[in-house]
Amino acid sequence: GAGVSQSPSNKVTEKGKDVELRCDPISGHTALYWYRQSLGQGLEFLIYFQGNSAPDKSGLPSDRFSAERTGGSVSTLTIQRTQQEDSAVYLCASSVTGTGITGELFFGEGSRLTVL
Amino acid sequence: GENVEQHPSTLSVQEGDSAVIKCTYSDSASNYFPWYKQELGKRPQLIIDIRSNVGEKKDQRIAVTLNKTAKHFSLHITETQPEDSAVYFCAAQLSGYALNFGKGTSLLVTP
Repeated sequence: GAGVSQSPSNKVTEKGKDVELRCDPISGHTALYWYRQSLGQGLEFLIYFQGNSAPDKSGLPSDRFSAERTGGSVSTLTIQRTQQEDSAVYLCASSVTGTGITGELFFGEGSRLTVL
Repeated sequence: GENVEQHPSTLSVQEGDSAVIKCTYSDSASNYFPWYKQELGKRPQLIIDIRSNVGEKKDQRIAVTLNKTAKHFSLHITETQPEDSAVYFCAAQLSGYALNFGKGTSLLVTP
């Protein structure tokens, strides 16, 4: 595919369950971001993978959140023991630049998470 | 990390008028400032960006200005059209660190 692909597009889960969200960036893109967008809110930074460097995890809101990026490509965001306040759209974005200035970010369609 | 403040949160203008959105940032070393537009139900898309070695950049009806001393930058849209209605996000980045966004401005252009 030509764009950033995210799955699932929608996820409804019960409070306390774990969820995994997947992001498949544009081929060759070195930088990968996860953002969270709550209803009517801004783009909250979660984590930034920059090439082979250690990821910037400073935006993760709690230790229930983790992310990994395997082989410099696909990334998975995991939320353990979900809470209702985790309900949001989780957006993944990638860019061709691995270090320094990110440059243009290409966003996926997002994964809408609803925690009941 | 970088802290970006954006104002106003909502803005309503009449078609043909100009719209200005302002952002401030906290880290004086930040050197990249993009603006993204998010239409309803769609993903954010880059509309214009500026680097710290430039004071102003223009692309047709949109322009961005940067004041490094005051640590603020602005988006200017002239001759607004209904299709300009969207949420606009500013962002700032220090090279090597994450790109942080403001909370967004919902712009409504009324015919």
